[in-house]
Parts: sequence; C-alpha cells; structure tokens
Amino acid sequence: SQQGEEDPQALSIQEGENATMNCSYKTSINNLQWYRQNSGRGLVHLILIRSNEREKHSGRLRVTLDTSKKSSSLLITASRAADTASYFCATVPYTGANSKLTFGKGITLSVRP
Amino acid sequence: GAGVSQSPSNKVTEKGKDVELRCDPISGHTALYWYRQSLGQGLEFLIYFQGNSAPDKSGLPSDRFSAERTGGSVSTLTIQRTQQEDSAVYLCATHGRGVYNEQFFGPGTRLTVL
Repeated sequence: SQQGEEDPQALSIQEGENATMNCSYKTSINNLQWYRQNSGRGLVHLILIRSNEREKHSGRLRVTLDTSKKSSSLLITASRAADTASYFCATVPYTGANSKLTFGKGITLSVRP
Repeated sequence: GAGVSQSPSNKVTEKGKDVELRCDPISGHTALYWYRQSLGQGLEFLIYFQGNSAPDKSGLPSDRFSAERTGGSVSTLTIQRTQQEDSAVYLCATHGRGVYNEQFFGPGTRLTVL
C-alpha cells in the first residue's frame, strides 16, 4: 500500500529554474527519504530527513519536513537537464524491526534545456 | 563489490514457468530488501533479511513467491508458476549498520511474463 502521495504527478520546467515537489504521508515516521530513478531502473538515494529535523540541505537539494502536517517538500535549485527523472518520497515507520520503505507514486520531472 | 548487483537485468518467461532472480549485496551490508515496481502498484516492499534473524515476509503477494539469503550474502527471489501480473521490475536494496539509514539499490531485474 502507498504511504506517501507526491504532487504534482508531473512537472516540466526550464533549465535554471527551481523545482519543488511535495509529499504527504499518513502514519508516524522515523524518517523520510527522497530517491531519484532514471529510466525506470535502480533508485538513487538523494537525502534523508529524520522526524526530529525540519530542514536539510545537500548541494542543490533542500528538503523540509512538517510532521504536524505529515508532509515534506524537495526543492531542486538551478535545475539541469540531467535532473530529468522520476522522484519518489519514501517513509520509514516510527516503530518496527526494520526500515522497509513505503513509497509514494512518484513525480516525473522534465527539465527542458 | 562496490555496489548492489542484480541478475539477470532482463528476463522474459512464459506464463507458468518458474524464475529465479539474484541479488549480490554490498559487502558487509547485513540488511537486504526486495521491492517490486509495477505500473499498477508502484513500488512495494516484498521481503527483508537481517543477519540470522527470521526474514520479514509480510510483503510477499502470494505463496508463489519465496526468497532466501545464503550465508548472509547473496539472495535469490523465486517466483513459481509465473503469472502475467508478476511482470514488473524487481529491485534489491541493502543498507549498512543501523536500522534507520539510506538504502542502496541495485539496477533491478525487469521480468516480463508472456
């Protein structure tokens, strides 16, 4: 079952613009992660934010987490054509013996050169 | 190895046949997950292995699916009597010490059941 719901489902922007993607989830989490997928194959981890954190940065990426609203956003600044991919948010439950990821449906980002 | 590897990269089979998918994890990573990505269901957790503990099989969709991990390293996902709805990309992921960490994914096996 899907835990996260991303929006928009698809986003098309011009190179150099910023891309903002949102994710909402339903249950309490230990952490939330964003992954990128190219060409429908392996996922690449982008950034992880823990439930006691509100904002994190990594290079051109900025992620925020609002646990009261059960939502997160991923901002990619100064986008490049190479950022074209599908982006998924994934949550890890607050309790449990393992950190199995529950994924959203994904956002397709197209960056036009 | 340096990363998670999976084989084969593509598998085409006929309905009713059995298939085996293989995952070679990152050396030293004791936790291993299998996920499935299909058009209708998105990305779904299938099974989790951690060391010598009993695996978490809660995501396996039917008893036709099974997995094993020998020697705490290589894992094999077996699908018996494949059905067309089993067509998907099967992804393996591992992570290092600590439960709540990022996962490293393999490139996946694209399974097509005709």
